[in-house]
Amino acid sequence: DQQVKQNSPSLSVQEGRISILNCDYTNSMFDYFLWYKKYPAEGPTFLISISSIKDKNEDGRFTVFLNKSAKHLSLHIVPSQPGDSAVYFCAASARSGTYKYIFGTGTRLKVLA
Amino acid sequence: DVKVTQSSRYLVKRTGEKVFLECVQDMDHENMFWYRQDPGLGLRLIYFSYDVKMKEKGDIPEGYSVSREKKERFSLILESASTNQTSMYLCASSSPGQMNTGELFFGEGSRLTVL
Repeated sequence: DQQVKQNSPSLSVQEGRISILNCDYTNSMFDYFLWYKKYPAEGPTFLISISSIKDKNEDGRFTVFLNKSAKHLSLHIVPSQPGDSAVYFCAASARSGTYKYIFGTGTRLKVLA
Repeated sequence: DVKVTQSSRYLVKRTGEKVFLECVQDMDHENMFWYRQDPGLGLRLIYFSYDVKMKEKGDIPEGYSVSREKKERFSLILESASTNQTSMYLCASSSPGQMNTGELFFGEGSRLTVL
């Protein structure tokens, strides 16, 4: 049973436009959410996070939105750059068990020059 | 610069062999983790350790064991490798304070093929 779902396995976006990556979760106990980026042959790197007490968090070109009632979060990248081409994973955790991050299946983003 | 180093980037083993995957971190982190990444399944937690000689099962511990004799080193052991353990294995570390920011630091991964 996949508690964290990324229903789009891939996404292509033109350079300079907005990339929107989506993530849905089922467990209402999740209260902390993260996005990781992974290049081929490298380990994932932390990108941005959001706590359930917020509905938005920004860091430069990256913004994460959280809709708790819909159990949905999204990552916006504006403007998209070719170097953003990677696999993006969302992850969720419940504070009571912060060691356990449940990862989604990933979305492969391709930014076209 | 923080670093998590996995000893082997690529391994090919035969069914039934004992396999050791080594991971070393230089950040003095208390927590260390082993994940496997498979297409369509994301990253799944195998085992983690929050202190030397301490270990906890993750979501898919069957067929694996771990060892943490020193703080900086966390080993994943496949006692008898099977073909369904062919995967990308990722080691990660974090400090307890960083658990609240989600910062797991990952190694580059070890791609294991079991024939």
